[in-house]
This record gives sequence, C-alpha cells and structure tokens, in this order.
Amino acid sequence: KQEVTQIPAALSVPEGENLVLNCSFTDSAIYNLQWFRQDPGKGLTSLLLIQSSQREQTSGRLNASLDKSSGRSTLYIAASQPGDSATYLCAVGGGYNKLIFGAGTRLAVHP
Amino acid sequence: EPEVTQTPSHQVTQMGQEVILRCVPISNHLYFYWYRQILGQKVEFLVSFYNNEISEKSEIFDDQFSVERPDGSNFTLKIRSTKLEDSAMYFCASRSQTTLSYNEQFFGPGTRLTVL
Repeated sequence: KQEVTQIPAALSVPEGENLVLNCSFTDSAIYNLQWFRQDPGKGLTSLLLIQSSQREQTSGRLNASLDKSSGRSTLYIAASQPGDSATYLCAVGGGYNKLIFGAGTRLAVHP
Repeated sequence: EPEVTQTPSHQVTQMGQEVILRCVPISNHLYFYWYRQILGQKVEFLVSFYNNEISEKSEIFDDQFSVERPDGSNFTLKIRSTKLEDSAMYFCASRSQTTLSYNEQFFGPGTRLTVL
C-alpha cells in the first residue's frame, strides 16, 4: 500500500530564503507526482506535475524533482515571499491516476 | 481559465439525512474524482469515475456513498444516511486525456459538510 510522507511538517523562514520541501513514497510504481498548495480552509491549487519519466519540472520560482527509484521528490522554492505561506501537499498518482497524498508541510514566511 | 466548481460551499445536515454534493468538472475532461479531507488530516481518495462508471473506489466508499453524472456537465456525490464521521471537506477533481499534461488533476474549492 502506497504511503506518502512529507518532511518537515512545519517550517518557518524569513523572507528571501531559498527552501526545500521533501516528499517520500514507499512504492516506486507511480504514474506521476503532483505538488499542490492549500491555503487555510481552501481548495487545492496545482503547482507542478512531474510525469514518471521526468526528473524535474520548473514553474517560476518553483522547481520540483523526482527520483522514482529512491521514492523521493523535492520542491524547491527560491527567494521565498510572505505570499508563499500555505500548506504544500505532495501527491503520487497510481492506478486510474488516483492521488495518494502526504500530510503536507505548513510553511510560514515572515517579513 | 476553466475551473472545477462545487456547490454548496458549506452544507449542514442532521445525522441520518441524505446529502448530495455537486460538482461541475472542466468541460472537456473525461475523468472525475471525489476526495475528502477530515479536519487536520490528509486528503483521502474516495472514488474515480470514467465513461459513466466507477473505475476505482476506496474502502471509505461503502454502500452509503454513490456517484452519478446525471447530465453532460454535473458530477454528484450522494451520501445516503450521513454519520458524524462524514463531516469533512469534500473535493471534486477532474482531468483530461487530450492535453500534453493529460494526467494533471484540477481540484474544485470544496464543500464543507458538517453533520450534527
């Protein structure tokens, strides 16, 4: 059974720092991996999707990497801003592309 | 930009009552999903739906739950007899098979269900 773990559970950084969020999964037989942002009480905003055949994806200040064989993905956020404060969720796509989610990393960026 | 919409945003019901949560997926999408998130917990997969039938369901999705695509635009989740533990945020998602990023799922804003 696929298990997804995210470390750290919470992170507080000053504005401008570069930071890395970690995601690990137990079964490497995945179709894809998707990173989401969730603001309190809100829905899920898709940030990046990495197909199983890809090693990384970039969107603006965000870069996500995938190492399927070791069951790991990282989300790199460059030059963090207070507006980046949110919970970041990692989800792996399996059969019929159902997503299995991690518990998230709660990020606070303070001015 | 096309988006997934859900109604209502908040539903309060009494234990034992039936509720129907509604979703309008993105118009050219072919795969539809329901997930739920109990407060403070992980987002959990409930069911996936393709070609007018369930393609996969989780252990949570027992016979109290059902899904339907009653017309060309709506996708509904029905809970027949709600329990206190059904209180959660319910998310609808959809994906296309026609674009390069065909397996990216797009989520709606959610319906918060409160069972009293």
